[in-house]
Amino acid sequence: DVQLVESGGGLVKPGESLRLSCAASGFTFNSYTMNWVRQAPGKGLEWVSSVSTGGTYVYYGDSVKGRFTISRDNSKNSIYLEVDSLRVEDTAVYYCARDPGAGNYLDYWGQGILVTVSS
Amino acid sequence: YVLTQPPSVSVAPGETARATCGGNNIGSKSVNWYRHKPGQAPVLVMFYDSDRPSGIPERFSGSNSDNTATLTISRVEAGDEADYYCQVWDSGSDQWVFGGGTKLTVL
Repeated sequence: DVQLVESGGGLVKPGESLRLSCAASGFTFNSYTMNWVRQAPGKGLEWVSSVSTGGTYVYYGDSVKGRFTISRDNSKNSIYLEVDSLRVEDTAVYYCARDPGAGNYLDYWGQGILVTVSS
Repeated sequence: YVLTQPPSVSVAPGETARATCGGNNIGSKSVNWYRHKPGQAPVLVMFYDSDRPSGIPERFSGSNSDNTATLTISRVEAGDEADYYCQVWDSGSDQWVFGGGTKLTVL
């Protein structure tokens, strides 16, 4: 079975950094584009970032560009999201999701991990 | 690129629910739809406008033309109650775009 398990969330102060991880299993990881999507409390889904199969191509949403960095390690079947200069408005549940192509659709999602930014 | 969804739709059990997604010339893009229940992972319910993933009942269908995409749920059940989001890939900005979501309430 396809499994995506996020980790690394928690409570941090504004301006601090965090590293989120997503461990994948049950499929050929290096064949899929991977994504981060978040949902702030009471808000809708917001796409955060994508990384191509080999890690060469990365894309970011406007609200996180310059502060977040996505990467992947195909030897560990994992993706990561380095989140720097955190803001209160970055408080959200962060989901990782896979895309069988690039810009196709997100067919499997993890259960999500909560990041709370508060002083 | 902006996708516009009505905040809410309400239907009685057994009726047909339609969630719309408006966007400039959205008919030229492929639209995906996701169902999201509180505390759960989002679930893909429609891709490439009108293709159903395995496990999604035939009651779910999709269409896309001109400036509006539509997710139609026939014979609505209590278990269909959720937030539904449309999504497209905007090749102009190389970004995924989500609509604001529509909350489906089953009366």
